[in-house]
Amino acid sequence: GQSLEQPSEVTAVEGAIVQINCTYQTSGFYGLSWYQQHDGGAPTFLSYNGLDGLEETGRFSSFLSRSDSYGYLLLQELQMKDSASYFCAVDTGRRALTFGSGTRLQVQP
Amino acid sequence: EAGVAQSPRYKIIEKRQSVAFWCNPISGHATLYWYQQILGQGPKLLIQFQNNGVVDDSQLPKDRFSAERLKGVDSTLKIQPAKLEDSAVYLCASSQGQVYNEQFFGPGTRLTVL
Repeated sequence: GQSLEQPSEVTAVEGAIVQINCTYQTSGFYGLSWYQQHDGGAPTFLSYNGLDGLEETGRFSSFLSRSDSYGYLLLQELQMKDSASYFCAVDTGRRALTFGSGTRLQVQP
Repeated sequence: EAGVAQSPRYKIIEKRQSVAFWCNPISGHATLYWYQQILGQGPKLLIQFQNNGVVDDSQLPKDRFSAERLKGVDSTLKIQPAKLEDSAVYLCASSQGQVYNEQFFGPGTRLTVL
């Protein structure tokens, strides 16, 4: 079967750095994506890692280790608007995504 | 560029009734997905279309759910008859099918089954 593990909740203060981890066990693996979803909103794409290493996009970075079946999303210079749920998702082939259960990030002033 | 459109945004029905959702993907996106998102969980893929053909419907409860994408553009998802556990947000997404799979999601339809 497929399983993705990520923490259910994380709390941090404005300006801080937070790391959201994701470990996965899937029958196929082509890449790891991260999506952000505000309450009542649609998921929006943040990043994709197809190969090992770090990808950086502005304040957000994402890391993948295929040998460890592990990745993380790093959010720097946290802002109040970053309060949302963050989902890791594995592309198991045919470009369909299997999503984790999400990490709810609360940014406090 | 217009985003993924979905309607209706909200729907309340009684159990055993039927309901249909509509999705219009981003123009030119060949791949269309329907996901079910239960409160507090991640989206779960129900069905994936490539143009008007089904790529993956392994998680679609086919005894009550059906979906079609007749002309390879817009799509409808139907539930007949609905059960209480079908209460969820139904998300439609589309992608161009690039090397990396950035999916663009619509606003979703929130279904409540009473």
